[in-house]
Amino acid sequence: DAGVIQSPRHEVTEMGQEVTLRCKPISGHDYLFWYRQTMMRGLELLIYFNNNVPIDDSGMPEDRFSAKMPNASFSTLKIQPSEPRDSAVYFCASSEAGQLSYEQYFGPGTRLTVT
Amino acid sequence: GQQLNQSPQSMFIQEGEDVSMNCTSSSIFNTWLWYKQDPGEGPVLLIALYKAGELTSNGRLTAQFGITRKDSFLNISASIPSDVGIYFCAGRNFGNEKLTFGTGTRLTIIP
Repeated sequence: DAGVIQSPRHEVTEMGQEVTLRCKPISGHDYLFWYRQTMMRGLELLIYFNNNVPIDDSGMPEDRFSAKMPNASFSTLKIQPSEPRDSAVYFCASSEAGQLSYEQYFGPGTRLTVT
Repeated sequence: GQQLNQSPQSMFIQEGEDVSMNCTSSSIFNTWLWYKQDPGEGPVLLIALYKAGELTSNGRLTAQFGITRKDSFLNISASIPSDVGIYFCAGRNFGNEKLTFGTGTRLTIIP
């Protein structure tokens, strides 16, 4: 299996621009998670989906952030408009249902820089 | 959001030494997990613990689930250069898919 795939790996954009991060989970996994990692706040869960349905978005910082999962093999995290404080590494992770749902497999991340 | 406290924050050791690190929480968890993150990569799961007092090994790594369910420990024996990275603990409760991550311990091996 190819593992969790994220694109782009690096994104540099100007403040005010729209940013879209993409994720392809591991085939057969029912859960998909979006995390943000910064030096100050560590790894934070933003939102997670179960069978393409958003279950908990309490970690989404504000209305500028939105996430979708139109099908089992694709999810997007969008920031509009972007701000410098959004600069971070964004990770997508996926896991199976049932007893193995604790075992989250992370993608390589997207390093976002907003200038 | 809530974070688990890990100590030490960083470690500088020589190759071949043993390593110990821990993770503490103000609330209990039913599952403890340990991840390792290499530079430029996502965290990779090392060990999962399900029962208070449980001791689990994965090669040179050994982790323990604290009896109070508020802490966990990770030991690495005979460290090698590829052990370099950041180690994160994470806690999880049954019926909740969310993981709460620790602040991380950065391990550096001195040649």
